[in-house]
Amino acid sequence: SQQGEEDPQALSIQEGENATMNCSYKTSINNLQWYRQNSGRGLVHLILIRSNEREKHSGRLRVTLDTSKKSSSLLITASRAADTASYFCATDEGGGGYQKVTFGTGTKLQVIP
Amino acid sequence: EAGVAQSPRYKIIEKRQSVAFWCNPISGHATLYWYQQILGQGPKLLIQFQNNGVVDDSQLPKDRFSAERLKGVDSTLKIQPAKLEDSAVYLCASSFPPRGAGRDTQYFGPGTRLTVL
Repeated sequence: SQQGEEDPQALSIQEGENATMNCSYKTSINNLQWYRQNSGRGLVHLILIRSNEREKHSGRLRVTLDTSKKSSSLLITASRAADTASYFCATDEGGGGYQKVTFGTGTKLQVIP
Repeated sequence: EAGVAQSPRYKIIEKRQSVAFWCNPISGHATLYWYQQILGQGPKLLIQFQNNGVVDDSQLPKDRFSAERLKGVDSTLKIQPAKLEDSAVYLCASSFPPRGAGRDTQYFGPGTRLTVL
């Protein structure tokens, strides 16, 4: 089953604009991760935010986490054509020594040059 | 550092045939995952190994799917017999255990695209 629901399902923006995508989930988590998937390729890890963190930055990426609302957002600033991809949130609700990761449904981002 | 290797990259089979996928994780990664990604959806975990032991196989259709991880390194995922709805990309990923700083990242292979006719 999919833990995370992402919106929008698809997003089309002009190069240079910011892109925001959201993820909602259902259960308590240890951390939330965002991954990028280019067409026909494997997933690439972008950023991880732990349950006790509220905001995290990495380059042009900004992730927020609101555990009370069970939601997260990913902001890509100054988008580039190369950012065109599908973006997935993944929640880790595992206990003990291993992860139990569930991926969301994904947001398909198109950045128009 | 070499990434996660998978083969084959593409496979086309008839329904009721069998198929096997192979994965070689990043050296030193004790945790290995197999995911099924149907077109337009997010990856769904099929099975998770820690070394050569199964940690989670709750979503693996055990009547037709099987997986093993010999000697805690390479892994194979088999489908026998295949159904039309098994058409998907099968992704392998690996990570360090246990959890901790920098250890929660999963590294994905390029996947195997399976088409069942």
